[in-house]
Amino acid sequence: EVQLVESGGGLVQPGGSLRLSCAASGFTFSSYAMNWVRQAPGKGLEWVSTISASGGPTFYADSVRGRFTVSRDNSKNTLFLQMNSLRAEDSALYYCARISGDVWGKGTTVTVSS
Amino acid sequence: DIQMTQSPSSLSASEGDRVTITCQASQDISNYLNWFQQKSGKAPKLLIFDASNLETGVPSRFSGSGSGTDFTFTISSLQPEDIATYYCQQYDDLPYTFGQGTKLEIK
Repeated sequence: EVQLVESGGGLVQPGGSLRLSCAASGFTFSSYAMNWVRQAPGKGLEWVSTISASGGPTFYADSVRGRFTVSRDNSKNTLFLQMNSLRAEDSALYYCARISGDVWGKGTTVTVSS
Repeated sequence: DIQMTQSPSSLSASEGDRVTITCQASQDISNYLNWFQQKSGKAPKLLIFDASNLETGVPSRFSGSGSGTDFTFTISSLQPEDIATYYCQQYDDLPYTFGQGTKLEIK
């Protein structure tokens, strides 16, 4: 079964850091570019970041550039999102998804609050 | 950035109705457009890719059309299980922007 499972979310204070993980299974992870997409409570979908299949080129939304870093370990079929200098407005459900949009995880919740 | 203007933001229709949602891109995106369905508390589900191609396993009552800047998503006969929020997304250029969403309700 093709599957993505996110983890690593939680409650963090403003200015803090979190590292999200996304474990892939059921497909050749190293063949696909991957996205992170987030959704604030009651709001729409916001693209956050993309990483190429090889892990080379990476891309970020203006709202997170310089604070978030996407990476992957193709040997472990895992995608990461390192989030630093977190702000209240980063509070959201974070999804990982295949670049084609056909496979999504269930998401992991990040709450930034003091 | 490419802006995606989706309308309406909400829609109420009866079972069996034909429902149409539009999405307009701020510049030509060819046919690089997805349509997603998101049910409450669930992850988005891809329904249509490349503007008009039905994802495997998606019922044929869902369809998409358009190219360039103007796109349409249609449900030919609304079913109760179609209650959800629908989003368009362009993938012609980064950032891969989404429309604001259309919340669909049954009358």
